[in-house]
Amino acid sequence: QVQLQESGPGLVKPSETLSLTCTVSGGSMRGFYCYWIRQPPGKGLEWIGYIYYSGSTNYNPSLKSRVTMSVDTSKSQFSLRLNSVTAADTAVYYCATMKAPYSSGPSDYWGQGTLVTVSS
Amino acid sequence: QSALTQPASVSGSPGQSITISCTGTSSDVGTYNYVSWYQQHPGKAPKVMIYEVNNRPSGVSDRFSGSKSGNTASLTISGLQAEDEADYYCSSYTSSTTWVFGGGTKLTVL
Repeated sequence: QVQLQESGPGLVKPSETLSLTCTVSGGSMRGFYCYWIRQPPGKGLEWIGYIYYSGSTNYNPSLKSRVTMSVDTSKSQFSLRLNSVTAADTAVYYCATMKAPYSSGPSDYWGQGTLVTVSS
Repeated sequence: QSALTQPASVSGSPGQSITISCTGTSSDVGTYNYVSWYQQHPGKAPKVMIYEVNNRPSGVSDRFSGSKSGNTASLTISGLQAEDEADYYCSSYTSSTTWVFGGGTKLTVL
């Protein structure tokens, strides 16, 4: 059974960089798109973007100038960096793997999510 | 890209059917059959219930069904059960090759 686990600091200072890693276990990342989706407390979901296992990326235009995603298939990990954070970036961050760049599907796997708070 | 429009809340009694709408534009829902629906219980990750408008992943009850007409997609839950009480979100692929989510709908089972 494929499992995803997010890891990283739960508290980030304003103007600094948020860094999260998603570790995939129980299966291969080959052929999968690796997504990041976030959810501010009490609010809805926001698509951050994805990185394909081969390294190509697609980001939400509203975050594109601040987002960088990377993948390390040898470690079965993919990562998110979001720089110049503000309180508006406080959210639960989910990682997920999907077979397609345009839709969820029957082979989706999600992490449990990790809360990142931006505060001094 | 503006969020898809969903009703903030819907409710129904056990055994009844409810429908949640998800309205977009010709740049997303209206053009692409890549609408998904997610169920989210408090403190849990979203779970895909419907993908590509009307397809159910293995293990999802056939009480859940999806459809689309024009710029509006719909999720119908029949035979409501207490465990269906959750937040539901729709998503769609867009002409910008990005995704957009709906604002979410809180389903209350009375």
